Amino acid sequence: EPEVTQTPSHQVTQMGQEVILRCVPISNHLYFYWYRQILGQKVEFLVSFYNNEISEKSEIFDDQFSVERPDGSNFTLKIRSTKLEDSAMYFCASKKGSYEQYFGPGTRLTVT
Amino acid sequence: GQSLEQPSEVTAVEGAIVQINCTYQTSGFYGLSWYQQHDGGAPTFLSYNGLDGLEETGRFSSFLSRSDSYGYLLLQELQMKDSASYFCAVGVMGGGNKLTFGTGTQLKVEL
Repeated sequence: EPEVTQTPSHQVTQMGQEVILRCVPISNHLYFYWYRQILGQKVEFLVSFYNNEISEKSEIFDDQFSVERPDGSNFTLKIRSTKLEDSAMYFCASKKGSYEQYFGPGTRLTVT
Repeated sequence: GQSLEQPSEVTAVEGAIVQINCTYQTSGFYGLSWYQQHDGGAPTFLSYNGLDGLEETGRFSSFLSRSDSYGYLLLQELQMKDSASYFCAVGVMGGGNKLTFGTGTQLKVEL
């Protein structure tokens, strides 16, 4: 069964450094998302991406964040200058066109 | 904006039936989904309601009342492996159909 994959599984970085989180959505899916989950809290929407552009972003997704689909398979989230409060699990998700979003296993980002 | 309310914890015994409620306030609502998350894992889709009524998928069923802004997830014949967090999530129209998640219900299944 096809699945969303994410790398790395765990990223440790120092405050102020740039990080790129990578995702490979399911191949025939059209909508792509990034969510984050701070430990013990709910899953929060960051950004949705469709037809090679951002379709919606949340208040969390400020100028420090950007997304790219550099080729036909990868979908990346870049945080330009990380802050301590960016420490969280970041989930990529994709869907074909129906309501069901498929989530990847997540990248745990730790900012020290 | 959107808000969703769920109980924070529910405990039940193996073999029992448990119901997890979700009330929501949102604009542009198009459907209510339920996701399961084991510790450290990815949210996994369980069920979706776009229309009022009951949807059944094996041991799991989900219900929606749009007029009451209310839904629930029903888990039958509970098994130990059902111990996890359960999130309701509203889908809103437009903007790529993002999901807004509730605060989650920690279900503990005991022997």
